[in-house]
Amino acid sequence: DIRMTQSPSTLSASVGDRVTITCRASQSISTWLAWYQQKPGKAPTLLIYKASTLESGVPSRFSGSGSGTDFTLTFTSLQPDDFATYYCQQYNSYPYTFGRGTKLDIK
Amino acid sequence: QVQLQESGPGLVKPSETLSLTCSVAGGSISTYYWTWIRQSPVKGLEWVGYIFYGDNTNYNPSLEGRVTMSLDTSTKQFSLRLSSVTAADSAVYYCARGFNFFDYNYLDVWGKGTTVTVSS
Repeated sequence: DIRMTQSPSTLSASVGDRVTITCRASQSISTWLAWYQQKPGKAPTLLIYKASTLESGVPSRFSGSGSGTDFTLTFTSLQPDDFATYYCQQYNSYPYTFGRGTKLDIK
Repeated sequence: QVQLQESGPGLVKPSETLSLTCSVAGGSISTYYWTWIRQSPVKGLEWVGYIFYGDNTNYNPSLEGRVTMSLDTSTKQFSLRLSSVTAADSAVYYCARGFNFFDYNYLDVWGKGTTVTVSS
């Protein structure tokens, strides 16, 4: 199975900050990577697919990049609604696997 | 707007079979990969598998042949059965829609999730 490693596991930031979180795959997954946001007690929601394509309706302050094994999710200016946990997921090969998440909380 | 809703027992006894159903509202049930994912504090998010129109399935090998999925196009529902459950199968179970692109599919719509506890 492909292991997905996210860092950091927790990040404290302030509204307006520019923030980047990373995800590393244990082997190349091309650009078959998705990012999800999850708030407490809720299901994950899709933010980005194919590493950098924004899902419809997702604010443009989110952006994704990377290919191969290294990927990033960037927030250009954090908003109050962005404090949540973020997961990466590879869909290059089965079984699909997720990272353990990065929890973004308010400093 | 497609919506998914899981249903099923919240409590299952050890060694018995967990059965969940996901109802699809507001969209087509063909051409998508209907997927189950579970989430627990121990394992995090875990992809369980999918079923595709025509009863094509793909399961996580970690579930060691205990999982079966089915799809009923007439009722627009798909189901998960997981046999011989243990406490390790306790989790929030989500159904989701896999949006397919040449057999690469990302999960663009999720149900709200249902909590399943395995306990006697």
